[in-house]
Amino acid sequence: SAVISQKPSRDICQRGTSLTIQCQVDSQVTMMFWYRQQPGQSLTLIATANQGSEATYESGFVIDKFPISRPNLTFSTLTVSNMSPEDSSIYLCSVGPYQGTEAFFGQGTRLTVV
Amino acid sequence: AQSVSQHNHHVILSEAASLELGCNYSYGGTVNLFWYVQYPGQHLQLLLKYFSGDPLVKGIKGFEAEFIKSKFSFNLRKPSVQWSDTAEYFCAVNFYNTDKLIFGTGTRLQVFP
Repeated sequence: SAVISQKPSRDICQRGTSLTIQCQVDSQVTMMFWYRQQPGQSLTLIATANQGSEATYESGFVIDKFPISRPNLTFSTLTVSNMSPEDSSIYLCSVGPYQGTEAFFGQGTRLTVV
Repeated sequence: AQSVSQHNHHVILSEAASLELGCNYSYGGTVNLFWYVQYPGQHLQLLLKYFSGDPLVKGIKGFEAEFIKSKFSFNLRKPSVQWSDTAEYFCAVNFYNTDKLIFGTGTRLQVFP
């Protein structure tokens, strides 16, 4: 199993500003994933973050809006840039599934943009 | 494109009723399958998972799911629901040619006493 610490747990931000979310895993993992869960919606994959290379973004998500860093095998950050109220969501980082186990999720960051 | 669909968006049941939530995925290859639950205000929790072997999988809290490969389905069942089962249920699929998890749209279950 993997324990994932994510912070901040919640934040209220002004439109036009940026927020960086941190994700720390208690073991080394090759890939980390960032998801968005908009109010009342399912989880949508934003991007896959590999250590040592640029993140791979899903359709509808771009690096300028959601830059990701992956400086080592246990840590990643997601920045939500130039925020608007439409960015109000829960953002989650995840590892797995891998090695025959399920995916593990951080507790999420509840972002409200005002 | 790889996708996961959940047919029931909102299900309302009385306690002791039986539950079946549908999940289908679009892909003919090898998959790993999951059901997650999200109770109000809480984080995602794994209910059950299928990797291989017996296609009837038993999970926590009396839930089970059946993998039917020919139908690309992984439906979730519970013979008798409780008020405490009120939550959002997500089917998720890991397609073997990728490392990512694709989620269905979710089903909101409300159980009334």
